[in-house]
Amino acid sequence: SQTIHQWPATLVQPVGSPLSLECTVEGTSNPNLYWYRQAAGRGLQLLFYSVGIGQISSEVPQNLSASRPQDRQFILSSKKLLLSDSGFYLCAWLSGGSTDTQYFGPGTRLTVL
Amino acid sequence: ILNVEQSPQSLHVQEGDSTNFTCSFPSSNFYALHWYRWETAKSPEALFVMTLNGDEKKKGRISATLNTKEGYSYLYIKGSQPEDSATYLCAFRGGSYIPTFGRGTSLIVHP
Repeated sequence: SQTIHQWPATLVQPVGSPLSLECTVEGTSNPNLYWYRQAAGRGLQLLFYSVGIGQISSEVPQNLSASRPQDRQFILSSKKLLLSDSGFYLCAWLSGGSTDTQYFGPGTRLTVL
Repeated sequence: ILNVEQSPQSLHVQEGDSTNFTCSFPSSNFYALHWYRWETAKSPEALFVMTLNGDEKKKGRISATLNTKEGYSYLYIKGSQPEDSATYLCAFRGGSYIPTFGRGTSLIVHP
């Protein structure tokens, strides 16, 4: 069965510090991978998605970036965090078929102070 | 920009009540419609994937219907329990790898 891992689970970082969140998927190959964020009081916002190694599409302009160095690894980064980067970050994967659902990782709660 | 609307935004019901909420999506270029249950501080849990007009899915006390021609899906919960309290999300896929999520319906079931 497929499993999706995210770490860390929680993170408190000062403004201006760097960020690296990691997501790995097991039990599938060539998944479509996604990073979402839920800010306080807001819905689920798509940040990045990737259909393959080295292929990243950005949905929202921001100071975040994403990379996919391996087939089942997706990394979300920032060089300098802003207060507005606080939120709940979710990694997800989707096989792509019409009946396939999108599975989410356990999430990372990021607080920028 | 695809418009996926969910209503109501929030709902308070008493234990034992049955309830339903709506997801509206574009009626053209339909590929799939997903429903998720999302508890606070947890990751969304997949409930249903619906692909055909007229589809009906059921999982325990929760069921969903789909009308792709008019662009809506209903989620029903029969005999609500406090553990059903969560945000229910729908996501529309219009033939791409990118699901578009609604803002969710927050359900609170009071004992």
